[in-house]
Order: sequence, then structure tokens, then C-alpha cells
Amino acid sequence: AQSVTQPDIHITVSEGASLELRCNYSYGATPYLFWYVQSPGQGLQLLLKYFSGDTLVQGIKGFEAEFKRSQSSFNLRKPSVHWSDAAEYFCAVKDQNRDDKIIFGKGTRLHILP
Amino acid sequence: GAGVSQSPSNKVTEKGKDVELRCDPISGHTALYWYRQSLGQGLEFLIYFQGNSAPDKSGLPSDRFSAERTGGSVSTLTIQRTQQEDSAVYLCASSPRLAGGYEQYFGPGTRLTVT
Repeated sequence: AQSVTQPDIHITVSEGASLELRCNYSYGATPYLFWYVQSPGQGLQLLLKYFSGDTLVQGIKGFEAEFKRSQSSFNLRKPSVHWSDAAEYFCAVKDQNRDDKIIFGKGTRLHILP
Repeated sequence: GAGVSQSPSNKVTEKGKDVELRCDPISGHTALYWYRQSLGQGLEFLIYFQGNSAPDKSGLPSDRFSAERTGGSVSTLTIQRTQQEDSAVYLCASSPRLAGGYEQYFGPGTRLTVT
């Protein structure tokens, strides 16, 4: 079955440091990929998405992600994190057999040290 | 524009009672999804609507759970005879389902606590 793996359950970085959150997917063809962020007590907000074209995708809040087919990865990055980036981050992929379904990873919780 | 809204934001109920959770999707979005998120867990898919029909109910955990959508808009998730394990955040999402627009837009969720 298709799956999305976020190997890190928790990540802690210092404010101002760079960030990379890992995401791997199982898929045969070119996937449709997403990153969502969930702040405490909130729903999920779409950060960015990749469908085709340039493999480096820019999103909101200064985030970017790079699609690497050879590694089946879609890692999320930010050059300098802010305390407000503390949240849970979900990677997701559209189900390859269905247009109406997105498969979510289990999430990575980001903690920011002052 | 207006996003997905859900009500109530919080609901505390006694075990055995029925509850109704409401979702108002983004206007014009044809697809609507319900998910459950338990403490520290990822998203558990419950049910999907395309228009008023629910082609995929595979995620509903038991026959105590049901959902409907009317007028291609508002949806209600009903949980009958609530149990403590039903305590979770229930998230609703909608999607325009336009070409290439597979992303889902989420509401803030309803936090359900069963005592």
C-alpha cells in the first residue's frame, strides 16, 4: 500500500537555526506531494505543494521543499526558524489510484529553543 | 475569503450520549472530508463526500458513526452512544477538486471529550 514516512517524531532546533524535516513516500510515478502545518489548537494549513515542474517548491512562511525522485523524498526546509514555527508538520501524498484521497504521514513535532 | 468552519469548537459530553458535529466547507468546494485526530496521533480518515453522496465510508470506525451532507454544502458527523475512546479532535476539510487541485483545506476542528 502507498505510504508516507516521516522518520522524526520530534525535532528540536534553536531559534535562527536552519531546519530540515524529512519525508519519504512510496510511489511509482510522479507523485502529488504536500506539506501541511498544524499549530496548537488549529486545523492543518497548506504550506506548499508539488505536482510537476521545478523540483524546488516555494511555500508560505519562508518554507521550501525539494522533490528528489531518486530518493523518494520531499524534505521541507527553512533557512532560519522563528519561535512561531513551533508546530506539527505533516507530509502527504495524493493516492496514486484515487483523485479524492490524500495519504498523510504521522507528523513531526517541531520544538524551538529560544 | 471564508475558510472551512466547524462547530462547536469544543464539546464535552457524557458517555452514552449522542453528539453532532458540523462542518461548513468553502463555498463551491465539491469534496468534503472528515478526519479524526487522537492525542499525539496522525490523521485518521473517516469519510469522504463528493457532492451529497459518500463514495467512501471505509474509515468510519463503527456503526455508531454516521455522516450526511445536504445541498452539496454543510455536513454533519453524528456519533451515537459516545464512548470514551471517541474523545479526539474531529477535523473537516474541503477540496475544489479542480484539475491539479487535489489539496484539502482544513477547518479548525472540534475537540470532543467524552466523560
